[in-house]
Amino acid sequence: GAVVSQHPSRVICKSGTSVKIECRSLDFQATTMFWYRQFPKKSLMLMATSNEGSKATYEQGVEKDKFLINHASLTLSTLTVTSAHPEDSSFYICSAREDSTDTQYFGPGTRLTVL
Amino acid sequence: AQTVTQSQPEMSVQEAETVTLSCTYDTSENNYYLFWYKQPPSRQMILVIRQEAYKQQNATENRFSVNFQKAAKSFSLKISDSQLGDTAMYFCAFDGSGAGSYQLTFGKGTKLSVIP
Repeated sequence: GAVVSQHPSRVICKSGTSVKIECRSLDFQATTMFWYRQFPKKSLMLMATSNEGSKATYEQGVEKDKFLINHASLTLSTLTVTSAHPEDSSFYICSAREDSTDTQYFGPGTRLTVL
Repeated sequence: AQTVTQSQPEMSVQEAETVTLSCTYDTSENNYYLFWYKQPPSRQMILVIRQEAYKQQNATENRFSVNFQKAAKSFSLKISDSQLGDTAMYFCAFDGSGAGSYQLTFGKGTKLSVIP
């Protein structure tokens, strides 16, 4: 089956630092990847849509200068949380849309804690 | 804009029994995809089943099957022979690729508990 990896699974950082999260589609190509944020006991909230080789499209209310997204290849997208603050603490999930089946497969998520 | 409604916030089922989770959606598109994902306590989102709107035949995956009623815009999930490992949040999702948008619209989820 289609597998998406996400690294790191957990990260703790100090306020003001930057954190990079990687999302990789391991056995398929994904022109489009997505980044979500999930609050406890809630559904997924889409942050941005990432297309290979072009600028990401951000949802309303998501600061593009704070959440930097790069999609440099058909198997890798990265999310960098810049100048992290405690309110950025959350569970971040990526997904990759398999081109051949139009199906999104999800990474295992990253738990970010900002002290 | 598409909307997805899951009217059952929580459900429970005895082990080995059958349970049906409901999902309705609203769209003006004709071609689209529908999905059910499960999210166990590990929080990994796992694809359960996928349905293409142009296919009349209901999708099945082992113990999981759907009842897709396109005219009624209904997409329910039936889990047969429920197992303890089925305990999870279940999300219904709509993909309106037919309109060029690849985003998923999720329902709020149904928390399913399988009781031994």
